[in-house]
Amino acid sequence: DAGITQSPRHKVTETGTPVTLRCHQTENHRYMYWYRQDPGHGLRLIHYSYGVKDTDKGEVSDGYSVSRSKTEDFLLTLESATSSQTSVYFCAISEPMVGAYEQYFGPGTRLTVT
Amino acid sequence: DQQVKQNSPSLSVQEGRISILNCDYTNSMFDYFLWYKKYPAEGPTFLISISSIKDKNEDGRFTVFLNKSAKHLSLHIVPSQPGDSAVYFCAASPPYNQGGKLIFGQGTELSVKP
Repeated sequence: DAGITQSPRHKVTETGTPVTLRCHQTENHRYMYWYRQDPGHGLRLIHYSYGVKDTDKGEVSDGYSVSRSKTEDFLLTLESATSSQTSVYFCAISEPMVGAYEQYFGPGTRLTVT
Repeated sequence: DQQVKQNSPSLSVQEGRISILNCDYTNSMFDYFLWYKKYPAEGPTFLISISSIKDKNEDGRFTVFLNKSAKHLSLHIVPSQPGDSAVYFCAASPPYNQGGKLIFGQGTELSVKP
């Protein structure tokens, strides 16, 4: 299994509070991704990073920000959590090449915003 | 607009029989396709992939078929086992994929009955 950990694994927070989720990898992969999984929507990309301090938006980036100060860590921040951000969040890593785009996922963080 | 679609939310199969999971896509420029398997409370795990230059890829009990003219791919599991019970996601790599991004379908929950 790829060395990817996520913390916390579960979190309950109140509307309006800031929340930061952490993804840590030991594989030295260049690319890291944050997804959310919701029923009926599959996995949707929030933000991704292609190197230290290099990030870009995904499909559902509104209300989220990210930072990557080290190769191994990718942080996802909800500046002011809303109930619509209740979801399961997955981090993934990759070293994509033409013809090989496999991503490897962490165990997930279940976030509940009350 | 869903670019990758899995129209069957669930599928139930008897142990030992074939499971066929389907996936449709809208963009003929997608050039790489993947299947992921996800157990409850775990992250998705990579299962099998296929390049658009092929029409079949096989790995043990798992075979992926690609029909480019129909923009359709399928995953065959033969024979199905109870441990195959999980949610299966198909994913596609968009063209000019600088960020190694993947677009996921909504998922199909497979239940293999003993």
